[in-house]
Formats: sequence, C-alpha cells, structure tokens
Amino acid sequence: GNSVTQMEGPVTLSEEAFLTINCTYTATGYPSLFWYVQYPGEGLQLLLKATKADDKGSNKGFEATYRKETTSFHLEKGSVQVSDSAVYFCALSALSSGSARQLTFGSGTQLTVLP
Amino acid sequence: GAVVSQHPSRVICKSGTSVKIECRSLDFQATTMFWYRQFPKQSLMLMATSNEGSKATYEQGVEKDKFLINHASLTLSTLTVTSAHPEDSSFYICSAKTQEDTEAFFGQGTRLTVV
Repeated sequence: GNSVTQMEGPVTLSEEAFLTINCTYTATGYPSLFWYVQYPGEGLQLLLKATKADDKGSNKGFEATYRKETTSFHLEKGSVQVSDSAVYFCALSALSSGSARQLTFGSGTQLTVLP
Repeated sequence: GAVVSQHPSRVICKSGTSVKIECRSLDFQATTMFWYRQFPKQSLMLMATSNEGSKATYEQGVEKDKFLINHASLTLSTLTVTSAHPEDSSFYICSAKTQEDTEAFFGQGTRLTVV
C-alpha cells in the first residue's frame, strides 16, 4: 500500500537557520506529492506540491523536489522565521479504489523557530 | 485556491448526545469529500470517503453507525457523531475535491470535546 515516512520531530531552530524536513514515500503508480502546513488551532493549508518526477514545488521560501529515484520529497527553507512555527505534513495522492484519489499523510513534524 | 468551510470550529457536548459537523465547498462543486480525525501530536487518519449522492466508504475500524456521513449535494457533506463519548474528543477535518483534480482543499477543522 501507499505510505509516507516523515522525519520525526520536534525540530527547534533559531531564526534565519536552514531547515530540512525529510520525507520519503512508497506508492504504486505515479503519485503527486504535497507539503501541508498546520498552524496552531487551524486546519491544513497546502504549502506546495509537485505532480511528476523532477518537479520542484515552491512557496513562501519553501521548496521541495520530487525525486523518483530516491522516492523522496524533502522540504527545505534557507532562512526560517518565527512565523514558520507550525506542524508540517508530507502527503501523497495516488490512485486508490474508486475514482477519487485519497491523500496519505506522514506523521507530521512540529517546527518551532526561536527568535 | 478553492475554499472549504467547516462549521463549527469548536463544540463541546455532553456524553451521549449527538453532534453534527458541516463541510461546505464555497466556490466549487465537490464530487468527493473526505473526513479525517487527528489525535494530539498525530497525523490525520482518514475516516471515510463520500461521493455525492451515494453512501460513504468507511475505513477499516471506523464505526459507520457512530459516524454518520451524508453528502446530499455537491457543496455539502455532514459528519454526525452519534452518542458521543469522551474518547470521541478529537480534531475532525474535512477535505473536498473534484473528481479529476489531484488536489484536495481542507476545512479549518472542528475541535470536538465530549464531557
């Protein structure tokens, strides 16, 4: 079946530090890959996505590249801010039974950025 | 992006009562809606998938008689937690998508507390 393995947290960084959150996946077919962010008390927001191999998704300074050869989709940001403190979820969308594509989530990584 | 509105954002109910949570797609027609629950510091677990006009498909281990899902229109799905117990306290999130799109849009989530 499909699965997403995500770097365990929590991760604590100082402002302006470099961020990497690792994500690897197992899926049949050709999944689309996503990073979602969840701020305290809120629902999930799509941060970025990539739909095919070698695609790079980017948003708000965050980037992730779809690597089919290593089945990875690591999230990076060159300089984090306090406002980036949140839980980050890696997810994939692949064909499942029926016509709808379900999302499979990783366990989430709590990021705290200190001033 | 498309907007999914979930209501209420927070609800407290007494043990034994039922609670209804609404999920609406505001600016698109959602042929499929998903319901997730999230326990503290854990990832989202898919509970069920509902397609407009048909019965929901529940994930293994989810009681369909306890978690009633109705998807009567292309813009509204409801989750009713019947005879709620304290262990049903959780964060419930819906997502909605069109049949062909790989991207799902999430509601803000509902924090249910059963006392």
